Amino acid sequence: DTEVTQTPKHLVMGMTNKKSLKCEQHMGHRAMYWYKQKAKKPPELMFVYSYEKLSINESVPSRFSPECPNSSLLNLHLHALQPEDSALYLCASSQDWVNGYEQYFGPGTRLTVT
Amino acid sequence: DAKTTQPNSMESNEEEPVHLPCNHSTISGTDYIHWYRQLPSQGPEYVIHGLTSNVNNRMASLAIAEDRKSSTLILHRATLRDAAVYYCILASNAGNNRKLIWGLGTSLAVNP
Repeated sequence: DTEVTQTPKHLVMGMTNKKSLKCEQHMGHRAMYWYKQKAKKPPELMFVYSYEKLSINESVPSRFSPECPNSSLLNLHLHALQPEDSALYLCASSQDWVNGYEQYFGPGTRLTVT
Repeated sequence: DAKTTQPNSMESNEEEPVHLPCNHSTISGTDYIHWYRQLPSQGPEYVIHGLTSNVNNRMASLAIAEDRKSSTLILHRATLRDAAVYYCILASNAGNNRKLIWGLGTSLAVNP
């Protein structure tokens, strides 16, 4: 199974809401990633977890809070978002957080903040 | 900081080879070169990666310049399904400061 699943596919939330995005993989990968992608732009790396520990936080605002409950699951908790946070949020995983391993991406969650 | 530079768009005809260039003149000795593609409404998909030598797989070939300051992704026979945005990425591990540096991508159109 080489699939990364993400739920929900679409999410509309108000600026005062709290919601969570979920990502799951069953490939035994030990690195998991959150990316944000705006239209016609490349994905921007937000967070990297390696062996369930946060390894990279690319200066992401605290209204985005990642969580890695176990090696197969990755969550992104959202609170008090702004309209400019509307984007496609992509999850990915790889065997390890080193240079030579390919990343497997999920289909993304399309987030709209109203 | 390292960066990658790609043409904004390219066009090809079906069944013909396509050469997608990427410049990465500030690449470090331990940086890997990765290529991903993204079809409309999908997440990116791994294509190929390499360090110093040319690489082949079932999807494509990767030709890396001898000085490693540029690379070329080669699709040997383009099909309509190859129409996508192709990203050149440096996976940098300089001094335990790991980074993934994405290019802006090349949008490939394939004409029937």
